Amino acid sequence: DVVMTQSPLSLPVTLGQPASISCRSSQSLVSSDGNTYLNWFQQRPGQSPRRLIYKVSNRESGVPDRFSGSGSGTDFTLKISKVEAEDVGLYYCMQGTHWPRTFGQGTKVEIK
Amino acid sequence: EVQLVESGGGLVQPGGSLRLSCAASGFTFSSFWMTWVRQPPGKGLEWVASIKNDGSEKYYVDSVKGRFTLSRDNAKKSVYMEMNSLRAEDTAMYYCARGNGYAWGRGTLVTVSS
Repeated sequence: DVVMTQSPLSLPVTLGQPASISCRSSQSLVSSDGNTYLNWFQQRPGQSPRRLIYKVSNRESGVPDRFSGSGSGTDFTLKISKVEAEDVGLYYCMQGTHWPRTFGQGTKVEIK
Repeated sequence: EVQLVESGGGLVQPGGSLRLSCAASGFTFSSFWMTWVRQPPGKGLEWVASIKNDGSEKYYVDSVKGRFTLSRDNAKKSVYMEMNSLRAEDTAMYYCARGNGYAWGRGTLVTVSS
């Protein structure tokens, strides 16, 4: 199985400051069709997860542009340009290239 | 608007069975893979299983193979997960999602305890 490793697992951030979460996979996530199926999810307290980013860098409709995804192969990053109070929660990466699908452990973003 | 509504969760004894359902609306259900993801209390997300749009392919996480079975009824726009031989470690919120997580339901809680 592909192991997804996130860091850090806890991320205290000052409002208005940037934040960055790393996600590394144990195998390349480049699919046979040439796409890289790396997703980022946000889970606010008490809510269901919500997909922010798909295929490494594509923002879902309605996701603020302060969220951006980048990376390739086995190394990926989610960045929040200026953290807002509503960004508090857990963030997960998930690979959709290999079976079984696998998630990272989650990164808890909180306000300092 | 895409909507997914899970049902069927509850309290069950170890070794028991449950059938989860997910009713979909707001999209062409028969065109999409459907997925179940679970989250034990206070823990992270775990992908459980996915089923292809026509039901011809199904994939499961190793820990549920042979115990959980996915099915779907495209006419009813619903996906089902039959859960047998339930264990305490299956206790979790179970979410239904479209594809690789484009949209999620609110979840249904499964508690396995004597």
